[in-house]
Amino acid sequence: KQEVTQIPAALSVPEGENLVLNCSFTDSAIYNLQWFRQDPGKGLTSLLLIQSSQREQTSGRLNASLDKSSGRSTLYIAASQPGDSATYLCAVYGTNAGKSTFGDGTTLTVKP
Amino acid sequence: GAVVSQHPSRVICKSGTSVKIECRSLDFQATTMFWYRQFPKQSLMLMATSNEGSKATYEQGVEKDKFLINHASLTLSTLTVTSAHPEDSSFYICSASWTEGVPEAFFGQGTRLTVV
Repeated sequence: KQEVTQIPAALSVPEGENLVLNCSFTDSAIYNLQWFRQDPGKGLTSLLLIQSSQREQTSGRLNASLDKSSGRSTLYIAASQPGDSATYLCAVYGTNAGKSTFGDGTTLTVKP
Repeated sequence: GAVVSQHPSRVICKSGTSVKIECRSLDFQATTMFWYRQFPKQSLMLMATSNEGSKATYEQGVEKDKFLINHASLTLSTLTVTSAHPEDSSFYICSASWTEGVPEAFFGQGTRLTVV
């Protein structure tokens, strides 16, 4: 059974700081790994998707890496801004039955 | 990428009534759709797998008679919360599997259900 863990559970940083969010998974049989952002009371916003054959993806100030063999992914946020405050979820899309398994999320607070 | 539309985005209903949530794949055919539920301050948990033309497969602990899933066509799956109670208040989200080319799951926008 796939298990996805996100560390830390919560993170508070001052504005402008670079930060890293971690995601680990137990079963490497995945098609891809996706990072989402969720604002309070809102739905999911897809940030980055990394296919299993890829090592990283970049979008603006965001960079996500994937090491499938070790079951790890990181989301790097450069020059953080208060608007980045949200909960960040990672989800792995498994080859077994094709369902997605989510981590518990990291709640990020960026202080002005 | 492909688009999955979920409707409604928010719904408030009275206890004892039923609520239907729709999940549509707009530009691709999805033989398999998934329904997830998110409790407050928790992550999303898979409720059931919906297969077109057949009965849904429910995860352990999910009441199939309470959460009715119908996948009548390759572009539409519905989740009906029957006889809703306040404890059913939650965030529900669907995803549809893209199987042409590189497999990927596309997520709907989610539905915030509040039962009063």
